[in-house]
Amino acid sequence: GDSVTQMEGPVTLSEEAFLTINCTYTATGYPSLFWYVQYPGEGLQLLLKATKADDKGSNKGFEATYRKETTSFHLEKGSVQVSDSAVYFCALTLNTGFQKLVFGTGTRLLVSP
Amino acid sequence: NAGVTQTPKFRVLKTGQSMTLLCAQDMNHEYMYWYRQDPGMGLRLIHYSVGEGTTAKGEVPDGYNVSRLKKQNFLLGLESAAPSQTSVYFCASRQGLAGGRGYNEQFFGPGTRLTVL
Repeated sequence: GDSVTQMEGPVTLSEEAFLTINCTYTATGYPSLFWYVQYPGEGLQLLLKATKADDKGSNKGFEATYRKETTSFHLEKGSVQVSDSAVYFCALTLNTGFQKLVFGTGTRLLVSP
Repeated sequence: NAGVTQTPKFRVLKTGQSMTLLCAQDMNHEYMYWYRQDPGMGLRLIHYSVGEGTTAKGEVPDGYNVSRLKKQNFLLGLESAAPSQTSVYFCASRQGLAGGRGYNEQFFGPGTRLTVL
């Protein structure tokens, strides 16, 4: 079945460090890929998305590129801030039917000043 | 627009008690979803609805029932709560698609933290 695997956390960084959170997927069709962010005590917010191979999603300084050949969608940011501390979820959906989101287990990011 | 709202925000139940979680959206979305979030497991789909009066099972439907009597509301019921249902519950909604293909973003509510003792 469809699945998403992302690196376990927590990831602990100092402010202004470079961030990479790895995400790989398995899907039977041609999925759309997403990164969601969950700040403490809040629901999930869509951070960025990519709907086809080689697309790059970007938002708030975060980027991820849809790599079909490696079935990956790694999240990167060049310089993290304390306010980026949150849990990040990689997810996929197939673009037909009721569009169930399949989530990874989440990666907690902790950024210290 | 309030977006997606959930009530209550927190609840503690004893084993065997029943309760209903309410999800409401004011975006006129066709699709609504209930997920549960457990440590180390991401979010898993419990039930979903593709329109008013319709519901369907997701990955982990056992022990839950749902109803969608009005387009804007999606109710999740626990008839006899069990400790295994201790979790954070999220509701989401999205617009339907013309032609049934493509993608529309799912919008999430703030969650309900449920503890079953």
